[in-house]
This record gives sequence, structure tokens and C-alpha cells, in this order.
Amino acid sequence: ILNVEQSPQSLHVQEGDSTNFTCSFPSSNFYALHWYRWETAKSPEALFVMTLNGDEKKKGRISATLNTKEGYSYLYIKGSQPEDSATYLCGAGGTSYGKLTFGQGTILTVHP
Amino acid sequence: GAGVSQSPSNKVTEKGKDVELRCDPISGHTALYWYRQRLGQGLEFLIYFQGNSAPDKSGLPSDRFSAERTGESVSTLTIQRTQQEDSAVYLCASSPGASYNSPLHFGNGTRLTVT
Repeated sequence: ILNVEQSPQSLHVQEGDSTNFTCSFPSSNFYALHWYRWETAKSPEALFVMTLNGDEKKKGRISATLNTKEGYSYLYIKGSQPEDSATYLCGAGGTSYGKLTFGQGTILTVHP
Repeated sequence: GAGVSQSPSNKVTEKGKDVELRCDPISGHTALYWYRQRLGQGLEFLIYFQGNSAPDKSGLPSDRFSAERTGESVSTLTIQRTQQEDSAVYLCASSPGASYNSPLHFGNGTRLTVT
């Protein structure tokens, strides 16, 4: 079973700030990395799926990078808005076909 | 189109009772997952179904938990003799294929409270 860790656990920023969070996973046992946004009273929504070392993906003001050799992924939010407030989850897939193991999540609060 | 549907959305039950949670995946999705989130904790993997392959049950916490899926359709998660530590949000997700290239589509979850 993969051990996936996210940091920080929670983060408070002001509207307009840029921010980033980290997801780390064992580099020796990896095939996919997923990022999700989970807003209160909603279901988790997929942001990115990444598999290749050096992958960079972007969706509006949100982007992510992947380093499979050292076992980490960064999620960046540029110019945070209050509607970005959510829990951001990362999930990593190892050799067990298909199963994703999730980290504890990073709770982001953007203050107006 | 229709997303992943879970029922009930909320369930309050007495300790010792059995409960059954239902998940309707997106049509055509071969993979189906059950996770749970207990208060203050992350998403905990429970069980994974992929097509007609044997399910990965490695996350089920005890033999009181079981899950079934008929073909590539509905899945039910059954918890027998519920305990207070079973209180959690139970999330179901489906995807069109393996997780190395397919994002998970989550339902809204079932909030289970065991009193």
C-alpha cells in the first residue's frame, strides 16, 4: 500500500495570493498521480491525472507538476479566489492495478 | 449526463444494526471504488471492482464489511452489526478504465451515523 502524504494540512491565504501544496509518495512504486478538489457539500472533482516524470498540467489558474524520481507533485493556484476554498486531495496509484491511495488532503481557505 | 448516484444521502442507525449503502455508477464505467472518510481523517480505500476481475478487498476494515457489484452496474456496500467507529462519509466513485489514465467520478456520498 502506498503511503501518500500532503502538506500543509491547512492553509489560509488572502484573495489574490498565489499558493502551492505538496503531495509526496514512494517513488519506487508509482504509476499515476491524481489531484481532486473537494468543496463542502459537494463530491470530489477531478483536476489532473499525471503519469510521466516531468508532467505539467494546467487548468485555468491551477497547475500541477510531477516528479516521479523523487516522489512528489506540486499543485499551484495563481491569484487565489474565495471560490477556490476547498480541500485538495491527491491520490497515487502503485502496482496494485487501479487502486488509488489518497493523502489526508490540504484544506485551503481564501479570505476576501 | 447522469453522474454517480449514491443512496441514501444520510443514514442514522443504532449500534448493532446492519446497513446497506447503494451506488449507481456512470453507465459504461468498468471501474468502481468505495472509500470512506471518518471525521478528521483522509479518504480511506475500502474496495475496488474492475470489470469481471476479482475485486480488490484489501481495504475492508473487518469481516463485518462486504460489497457486491453485479456486472458493471450497481454496487452495494453492506456493514453488519454496525459500530460507532463505522460513522463516516462513504464515497463511491467510478471511472471508464484504469486509474493511470482515467479520473475518478465521485458520488455525493452517504453520511452514516451510528448511535
